Amino acid sequence: GENVEQHPSTLSVQEGDSAVIKCTYSDSASNYFPWYKQELGKRPQLIIDIRSNVGEKKDQRIAVTLNKTAKHFSLHITETQPEDSAVYFCAASTGGFKTIFGAGTRLFVKA
Amino acid sequence: DGGITQSPKYLFRKEGQNVTLSCEQNLNHDAMYWYRQDPGQGLRLIYYSQIVNDFQKGDIAEGYSVSREKKESFPLTVTSAQKNPTAFYLCASSIAPGQGYGYTFGSGTRLTVV
Repeated sequence: GENVEQHPSTLSVQEGDSAVIKCTYSDSASNYFPWYKQELGKRPQLIIDIRSNVGEKKDQRIAVTLNKTAKHFSLHITETQPEDSAVYFCAASTGGFKTIFGAGTRLFVKA
Repeated sequence: DGGITQSPKYLFRKEGQNVTLSCEQNLNHDAMYWYRQDPGQGLRLIYYSQIVNDFQKGDIAEGYSVSREKKESFPLTVTSAQKNPTAFYLCASSIAPGQGYGYTFGSGTRLTVV
């Protein structure tokens, strides 16, 4: 079945450094790729998304890149801050009802 | 509270008991979803609904039931047939199904079997 693999499962960086989280999807029909941030004990929140007709999208310190040929997409966070510490989920959707989520990456930003 | 409200925040279930988790949204979203979140795992889809009076099973529907009598409401019942119900349950909604919109999530219900 369809799946989304996400790596790494845990990532620890020093404040100010960059963090990169990578995801690979299996369904070539996937055309929408959202990223969610979930702080401890809180709801996941959409932080950025990208559609298959775009290769890169940036919003301040976060950016997402998509390689459709290789079926992988990545989240890049620059100049990390302690408040970036959270679990990040990638997801892939064909635009239908099913959105497949990755298992999550726990990011620690050390001050 | 973000337009989608889940209650209660914490719920304790005894063996053999059915419990119902509430999910209400005022975003005028057509699609609503229930996900289960276990430690170290991604979100797994339990049920989804695209319109009133219609809902579909997700990947792990066994032991759960839902209803969609109103656009705003999508309650989830965890029945006694669900043998391992302890988890964090998230309700979500999106503008329109089939168009690849991001989800708005509720704040979740943590269910524990006692």
